[in-house]
Amino acid sequence: AQKITQTQPGMFVQEKEAVTLDCTYDTSDPSYGLFWYKQPSSGEMIFLIYQGSYDQQNATEGRYSLNFQKARKSANLVISASQLGDSAMYFCAMRGTAGNMLTFGGGTRLMVKP
Amino acid sequence: NAGVTQTPKFQVLKTGQSMTLQCAQDMNHEYMSWYRQDPGMGLRLIHYSVGAGITDQGEVPNGYNVSRSTTEDFPLRLLSAAPSQTSVYFCASSQSLAAPREQYFGPGTRLTVT
Repeated sequence: AQKITQTQPGMFVQEKEAVTLDCTYDTSDPSYGLFWYKQPSSGEMIFLIYQGSYDQQNATEGRYSLNFQKARKSANLVISASQLGDSAMYFCAMRGTAGNMLTFGGGTRLMVKP
Repeated sequence: NAGVTQTPKFQVLKTGQSMTLQCAQDMNHEYMSWYRQDPGMGLRLIHYSVGAGITDQGEVPNGYNVSRSTTEDFPLRLLSAAPSQTSVYFCASSQSLAAPREQYFGPGTRLTVT
């Protein structure tokens, strides 16, 4: 069974500063993928970044980067230069080898202060 | 392309009523899935399909039925609605394991059961 744990229910960050959202995972699959999604108050799920378990380098997408530490089973999201529009729920998710389905963590609510 | 569409956006049911949540995608994706999101929580997998005619159960399948007669459509049926099924329902689709970035979510259906 797969499990995703996000230990930070809520976080504050000052505008223009960087913030790290934590994610740890557990799986017995040898190959897996890790995702981060943003869910603003409007409710839609917005894909942010993806890391494959065999990818050699940490993924980056603009202001988002994924700090992937395979031995520690962690996949933390780093947002650089936070903006007010970054205020939202953030979900870490994992896809194993069975189908293309995702297991989600409980989420972290990020609030950016002006 | 419309992407993943869901209807209705909002629905209120009385306990014991049945209904079907509609999901359609126009990207010719093989994989489709249904998730539910309860307040303050991450998404949980209800049912999924890896192709037309093939469905399987996810983490929380009780009280729901699905079928996949075409590639495009993946309806979710509530057989006898219960207040515990009050939630936001998301449909998702993706092409294959080779395209991990291409996991698309619909806008969600907010269901209230009284």
